[in-house]
This record gives sequence, C-alpha cells and structure tokens, in this order.
Amino acid sequence: EDQVTQSPEALRLQEGESSSLNCSYTVSGLRGLFWYRQDPGKGPEFLFTLYSAGEEKEKERLKATLTKKESFLHITAPKPEDSATYLCAVQVIKGGSQGNLIFGKGTKLSVKP
Amino acid sequence: DSGVTQTPKHLITATGQRVTLRCSPRSGDLSVYWYQQSLDQGLQFLIQYYNGEERAKGNILERFSAQQFPDLHSELNLSSLELGDSALYFCASSVESNYGYTFGSGTRLTVV
Repeated sequence: EDQVTQSPEALRLQEGESSSLNCSYTVSGLRGLFWYRQDPGKGPEFLFTLYSAGEEKEKERLKATLTKKESFLHITAPKPEDSATYLCAVQVIKGGSQGNLIFGKGTKLSVKP
Repeated sequence: DSGVTQTPKHLITATGQRVTLRCSPRSGDLSVYWYQQSLDQGLQFLIQYYNGEERAKGNILERFSAQQFPDLHSELNLSSLELGDSALYFCASSVESNYGYTFGSGTRLTVV
C-alpha cells in the first residue's frame, strides 16, 4: 500500500533556529513529491514539486530535497510568519496514468519570536 | 485568491440531512479533485473528475457522490449525514493529472 509518513508531528522553533522536516514514503511508482503549506482554516498552498532523487528546490527560507525513500524540507533562519502546517504528498503512477495525491498528516511548525 | 472557488464556506446541518458542496476550478483546469480533511485523518482523497468524467475514486463513502458539469464546475453531494462527516472538504484543480494541484479555501461542514 502506498504510504506517506511525516515527522515530527509538531515542531517548535525559536526565530532564527534552522531545522528540517521529514517525509518518508513507500510507493509502487513515484511520479512526483509535493510540498504544501497550510494555514489554519485555509486550503493547502503549493510550495514545491520534486521528481527525481537528488533534486533540490528553494524558495526564500525553504529548501526541499528528495532521495529514493524520503524528502526533507529545510527551513533556514525561520520567522514567525513561517508558522503553519507543512504537508507532503506523493503522486503515484497507476496504470500508465498519473494518480491522485496521497498526503501525509503534516508537521505543525510553530516559530516563536 | 487561488482561483479555485468553493461554496459555501460554512455549513451546519443535522444528522440524516443531505447537502451539496460546489467547486469552480481555476480557469483552464480540466481536473477536479475532492478531499476530506478531519483532525485525526489528514487529507483524504475522495474522487477525481477529468473533463466531465470520473477518473479515480478514493475512500469515498456510498452516501457521497459527485459530478462534474460541462462548464467544469463540480458538486459533491453528501447524504444521510452522520456526526463523523463533520470535516473540512476541499476541492482542488489542475490542468492535467500530472501537475500540482491548486486548492480552494474549503467548506467547513458541521453535522449536529
């Protein structure tokens, strides 16, 4: 069964304290791995898509990396406005066509000033 | 504004009732996806439509159904509602199945 596991469930950081969020996955065939940010009561907001092991993408204080079994979202010198739940999702190749996104349960990040 | 419009934003209804949630995808997007998000389960895929046809089904209950109309908007129908159906329901759209999704702001359903 295709599965996505995120850790930790919750992370509290001081402003400026860098850290990483983990997303490990077990899938039959990976089409792509997606990172989203979700604020309370709002829809997930797209951050990155990674397609192959070794790929990296950056956006402001965030950098996403991908290996064959997991992805990391590195947060450098976070600010309070980075506080949100970060969701990881995988898209699986099914029957020659791309499947739906399978989400992990997310990591809730809190950054204190 | 993501470009994906969901209505209503909030809905409170009684057990046993039926409700309809509406989604207008981003302009040009042919695929519509419905997800349910509850506190303990995270985002669960319900169903996908592509250009009016059902493309994939996830953990969607038999009490739930959906459709996509010729103008590409979609409706999710939830019937015989139970307390456990209380959740956030999100619609997302994409150009094709192999692109990232854009999510709407969701409909918060409360069943009392």
